[in-house]
Amino acid sequence: AQSVAQPEDQVNVAEGNPLTVKCTYSVSGNPYLFWYVQYPNRGLQFLLKYITGDNLVKGSYGFEAEFNKSQTSFHLKKPSALVSDSALYFCGRNTNAGKSTFGDGTTLTVKP
Amino acid sequence: NAGVTQTPKFQVLKTGQSMTLQCAQDMNHEYMSWYRQDPGMGLRLIHYSVGAGITDQGEVPNGYNVSRSTTEDFPLRLLSAAPSQTSVYFCASSYDWGQYTEAFFGQGTRLTVV
Repeated sequence: AQSVAQPEDQVNVAEGNPLTVKCTYSVSGNPYLFWYVQYPNRGLQFLLKYITGDNLVKGSYGFEAEFNKSQTSFHLKKPSALVSDSALYFCGRNTNAGKSTFGDGTTLTVKP
Repeated sequence: NAGVTQTPKFQVLKTGQSMTLQCAQDMNHEYMSWYRQDPGMGLRLIHYSVGAGITDQGEVPNGYNVSRSTTEDFPLRLLSAAPSQTSVYFCASSYDWGQYTEAFFGQGTRLTVV
């Protein structure tokens, strides 16, 4: 079973509105969680990570993510979406064996 | 600042042909890995290496071989290509294989096997 899951294949939002891309996890112990973004015909780019400590993590391009232990979630957020934020987003985690596992990805479309 | 470089960017193979996907990084990273990306299936780990001379299998290793003779290079070999190996392949590297270390990805190789 996947240790991270992205329940939405697609998220659509209007430019200027807040956006949320969801990620849930099922890990015992500390879940080291990451968000990556993939623009068309490009590799994944690191956005942010949760290790421990503050539940609100700030990352690149104005993105942030909220870690919620009781809901086992790590949702990616941005207060005001841009058309240029349209991309494929992956939630992932590293195991203690050095391997990375990813969710299936969520396509974010921001419409003008 | 090149980062992770993959070659070629596109490749078409006939069933049964062999080829090597190249991956090089210039960040002196210990950990390197190969993934394949298929629609609706996210990224799946093929092989990985925690340092020169050390490799191990990931989630979907069948049909692929790797070696790591230097820190910089981590080639992926397809011994006898099959249509099921049509995919986009990504190489990634990270400073180490710690749980809290983010990965750097190449731009990908789009492989079609006919």
